[in-house]
Amino acid sequence: DAMVIQNPRYQVTQFGKPVTLSCSQTLNHNVMYWYQQKSSQAPKLLFHYYDKDFNNEADTPDNFQSRRPNTSFCFLDIRSPGLGDAAMYLCATSRITGAGANVLTFGAGSRLTVL
Amino acid sequence: AQSVTQLGSHVSVSEGALVLLRCNYSSSVPPYLFWYVQYPNQGLQLLLKYTTGATLVKGINGFEAEFKKSETSFHLTKPSAHMSDAAEYFCAVRTLGDYKLSFGAGTTVTVRA
Repeated sequence: DAMVIQNPRYQVTQFGKPVTLSCSQTLNHNVMYWYQQKSSQAPKLLFHYYDKDFNNEADTPDNFQSRRPNTSFCFLDIRSPGLGDAAMYLCATSRITGAGANVLTFGAGSRLTVL
Repeated sequence: AQSVTQLGSHVSVSEGALVLLRCNYSSSVPPYLFWYVQYPNQGLQLLLKYTTGATLVKGINGFEAEFKKSETSFHLTKPSAHMSDAAEYFCAVRTLGDYKLSFGAGTTVTVRA
């Protein structure tokens, strides 16, 4: 089935040790998003790619970076994770079609623990 | 700018009882509205969406929502709760020309046997 796949599902890292989370999609969607979700909170958009164009949210810390080498893959890099970065990271995709509803399809998430 | 308010962070219902989750939005232009469900340690799954046309929208798992422009609301209901409905529910809004969703804070539903 076409879907959004995130790896790893669970990631444990040490304070300050870089981490990369990956997201792949078989939907051929042109937009890919990264959300951060802390416990019992709404997902918070970090950034998104519209095709190759990177769009950063104003309040996303510099510690978070992203790469989209091709349509299918997108990566979230956390350069120096702090304890406050422990969260679920959700990847989502959508196809922008003018006046369409632009439904987001989410992956299952990657839960990051920082020791 | 658009925003979403979900009234009630926790809702507890008995199995078989009505589920009602409240969502109000603010938007300066006609919105697209969504309800997503999230089970523990999972991503978000689309329950239903409102774009244009019929204001009563039916979704998966027996849920439905009604768009009321005069009340700027999009409340989610299910006539009879099932144990499997225990999850967190998020209301979200976007407007034409904006491809980012704004989420509400979420409502956690627990179902009592």
